[in-house]
Amino acid sequence: DVKVTQSSRYLVKRTGEKVFLECVQDMDHENMFWYRQDPGLGLRLIYFSYDVKMKEKGDIPEGYSVSREKKERFSLILESASTNQTSMYLCASAAGAGEQYFGPGTRLTVT
Amino acid sequence: GEDVEQSLFLSVREGDSSVINCTYTDSSSTYLYWYKQEPGAGLQLLTYIFSNMDMKQDQRLTVLLNKKDKHLSLRIADTQTGDSAIYFCANQGGKLIFGQGTELSVKP
Repeated sequence: DVKVTQSSRYLVKRTGEKVFLECVQDMDHENMFWYRQDPGLGLRLIYFSYDVKMKEKGDIPEGYSVSREKKERFSLILESASTNQTSMYLCASAAGAGEQYFGPGTRLTVT
Repeated sequence: GEDVEQSLFLSVREGDSSVINCTYTDSSSTYLYWYKQEPGAGLQLLTYIFSNMDMKQDQRLTVLLNKKDKHLSLRIADTQTGDSAIYFCANQGGKLIFGQGTELSVKP
């Protein structure tokens, strides 16, 4: 079974803090994704990566950056957290185009 | 840009059938997916259909695809309280685009 793990299930941070969300997959997938999920808006793609050290902006990259130094690990960075970044963050991986496998999510609250 | 639309809520009684609908705009679909998200969890793939099919059945689940109308539906027969979740459709065209999710509530 594909396993995608995320470093925290719940996180509370203060405005202005730098926040790191980590995602690890164990299936040697080339593609990894970061989404945020908000009620009524579904999933919105923040960034994705199709190879080590490669990254592409998704639909809402502002305020975020990513890092992929190893194939299995994809990190999402909030350089200076703001209250409007309070959300559920979901990581996913995929072998090429098609079915994505999701982690359990990190619920981030910025106060 | 390309879009996928779903209604936000559906409420049914236990034992009834549930039908969750989805429309999409990107006609270059290759696959269409249904994901299920239980409370506090990530998304799990429930089923999928190739874009050249019009129906797929998998136990209690039936997926219908009308390519002409760009309409996808998921029917759950004999709905149980354990089916209560948010259901997302997703269209794999140029990129994978998710709908907003339909929250299914099953009342005993």
